Amino acid sequence: DTAVSQTPKYLVTQMGNDKSIKCEQNLGHDTMYWYKQDSKKFLKIMFSYNNKELIINETVPNRFSPKSPDKAHLNLHINSLELGDSAVYFCASSGGGAGETQYFGPGTRLLVL
Amino acid sequence: AQSVTQPDIHITVSEGASLELRCNYSYGATPYLFWYVQSPGQGLQLLLKYFSGDTLVQGIKGFEAEFKRSQSSFNLRKPSVHWSDAAEYFCAVTGAGSYQLTFGKGTKLSVIP
Repeated sequence: DTAVSQTPKYLVTQMGNDKSIKCEQNLGHDTMYWYKQDSKKFLKIMFSYNNKELIINETVPNRFSPKSPDKAHLNLHINSLELGDSAVYFCASSGGGAGETQYFGPGTRLLVL
Repeated sequence: AQSVTQPDIHITVSEGASLELRCNYSYGATPYLFWYVQSPGQGLQLLLKYFSGDTLVQGIKGFEAEFKRSQSSFNLRKPSVHWSDAAEYFCAVTGAGSYQLTFGKGTKLSVIP
C-alpha cells in the first residue's frame, strides 16, 4: 500500500561505480521528482518529469541521468560516483497539475566510499 | 526567485509546552505553503498545507499554521508538544502553475521529557 516507494533504501558503493535508484508511485500521479538532501538536511530539487517529459532539470552534473519508463516510475542513474554524491535521495510525486502537493518516498541513503 | 527562511536551526522544548516554528517566504505571486516533518531516518510527511481561504489551517498530529500575507509568514504551532514530535520540520513554498517546490533549511525540534 506504499504510495511512493524507493529501492534500495541503503546503498554503499565505491567511488567510480555506476548505480541506479528506482522509484515507483501508485497514486496515479502525473508528475514525479528527485530531490537531494545533503548532510545539513538541505533539500534541493534535481529533476522533475510530467507525463514522462522532463520539465525541471536543475544544475546537476551530467553524471546524473533520470529515466521515466512510464508515469508511475522515475529512476535515477548515477555514473562515476564521487564522494560528494553521498546524500539522501528522495523521490516524490504529485497529481492534478502544477502547484499540487508533493508526496515523498522514504529516501535512499547513498554512501560513496 | 522564490525562497524560504526558517530562522531557527534548533529548538528545544519541554514535553507539554507549546511550540511555534517560524517560516518566512518570498514568492512573486500567490504562494502555496507547506509544512513537512522528517523523523530521524525517515522520509518527509506532509503536516499541512495552505492554498487559499481560511488563513489558519489545521493539520495532522495536532499541528496548525497561520498564513500572514502582510508578514510573508507561515508559522507552525502546536499547543502541547509530545516527545514523539522530536524531528526535523521543513517549510516549503510553490505556487499555481509551478512545479518548483522550494524548501527552507529546516528546524530541528528536540523535546525534553
